[in-house]
Amino acid sequence: GAVVSQHPSRVICKSGTSVKIECRSLDFQATTMFWYRQFPKKSLMLMATSNEGSKATYEQGVEKDKFLINHASLTLSTLTVTSAHPEDSSFYICSARPRQVLSGNNYNEQFFGPGTRLTVL
Amino acid sequence: LAKTTQPISMDSYEGQEVNITCSHNNIATNDYITWYQQFPSQGPRFIIQGYKTKVTNEVASLFIPADRKSSTLSLPRVSLSDTAVYYCLVALYNTDKLIFGTGTRLQVFP
Repeated sequence: GAVVSQHPSRVICKSGTSVKIECRSLDFQATTMFWYRQFPKKSLMLMATSNEGSKATYEQGVEKDKFLINHASLTLSTLTVTSAHPEDSSFYICSARPRQVLSGNNYNEQFFGPGTRLTVL
Repeated sequence: LAKTTQPISMDSYEGQEVNITCSHNNIATNDYITWYQQFPSQGPRFIIQGYKTKVTNEVASLFIPADRKSSTLSLPRVSLSDTAVYYCLVALYNTDKLIFGTGTRLQVFP
């Protein structure tokens, strides 16, 4: 149980195009989903927090018009990288916080997706 | 936010016990200490969480002294598959956010 999927797992696109990444909680409902980005050999950086049915909250320095987040249901959040440029190439990871505690041994319980590798040419 | 400090890298050999220590000097009263594991090109995976003293599960133990200003993740008898980055986080009491520090890159050799 508690599986989070991401699609696609990797994508290569041309500079100037937009790319949509999906994050799904497969066997639980998620009140909150988070988006992170990770550069090679670096740590995860939180980009934004999204709650179902409301606007996402972006971390300082993250452009909300460039990274569009939609959280239309309790099992799906999408991240759209608009007008992508080579510097947006990164590993994008989502996580989901269950509506109800699933494991009982993790305060602030979150389950992470496998990540999406974005390469912008 | 309680900042965490941990060694950048550690080396070990198969079968050895590995202890990774994390400092979190300004941890708040209600904060929990959480450890995640991340393999290359994968999302992080929860390992263990604790508030004080000792917590043990099927994969690791977590030791937290009384002042809670540090914690030690203990991995018994590591194998090659334990080669990964290990992150120590302080889970904030009043927010959903997880703030990742630099992590410790553990390399296990045969």
